[in-house]
Amino acid sequence: AQKITQTQPGMFVQEKEAVTLDCTYDTSDQSYGLFWYKQPSSGEMIFLIYQGSYDEQNATEGRYSLNFQKARKSANLVISASQLGDSAMYFCAMRGNYAGGTSYGKLTFGQGTILTVHP
Amino acid sequence: EPEVTQTPSHQVTQMGQEVILRCVPISNHLYFYWYRQILGQKVEFLVSFYNNEISEKSEIFDDQFSVERPDGSNFTLKIRSTKLEDSAMYFCASRAGLRRGNGYTFGSGTRLTVV
Repeated sequence: AQKITQTQPGMFVQEKEAVTLDCTYDTSDQSYGLFWYKQPSSGEMIFLIYQGSYDEQNATEGRYSLNFQKARKSANLVISASQLGDSAMYFCAMRGNYAGGTSYGKLTFGQGTILTVHP
Repeated sequence: EPEVTQTPSHQVTQMGQEVILRCVPISNHLYFYWYRQILGQKVEFLVSFYNNEISEKSEIFDDQFSVERPDGSNFTLKIRSTKLEDSAMYFCASRAGLRRGNGYTFGSGTRLTVV
């Protein structure tokens, strides 16, 4: 079974500063993928960034970077130069291994972190 | 950019009634998913669908739920007899394949309110 834990129910950051959203995971799979999604108040799920378990470098997408520490089973999202539009709920999610046809790519989500950016 | 389209955006239904939530996945995608999110809570997996059959389902997806892809484009979630606790946002997602480069595209969701 897979588990994602986001221990920060809410985070506050000043505009233009960087913020780190924590995510730890637990899985027995050797191969897996980690995702971050943004959910604004309008409700849609917006993909931000992906990290594969065998990727040697941390993923980056514009102002988003993923601090992947495999031994510690953590996949923290770093948002640089925060903007007011970054205020939203952020979810960390994992998909497991496909080996043996036992998984068809379902995502397991964490509880989410509400980020508020102050001007 | 291709989108996953969900209709309706909001549905209100009486307890005990049947509802059908509709999704149009991206046309060349092969894997389809339904998730739900009870207000303020985490997103939960319901079911995955591949090759015209259910490939995986969660314990939430009991006999009152069903999915089908009736015409090769629409992907529907039916709840036979709704309960108050079925009130949630329901998301459809699709994916081209299982390879690492294949991302998940989510629809904007249907907010179901059972009264």
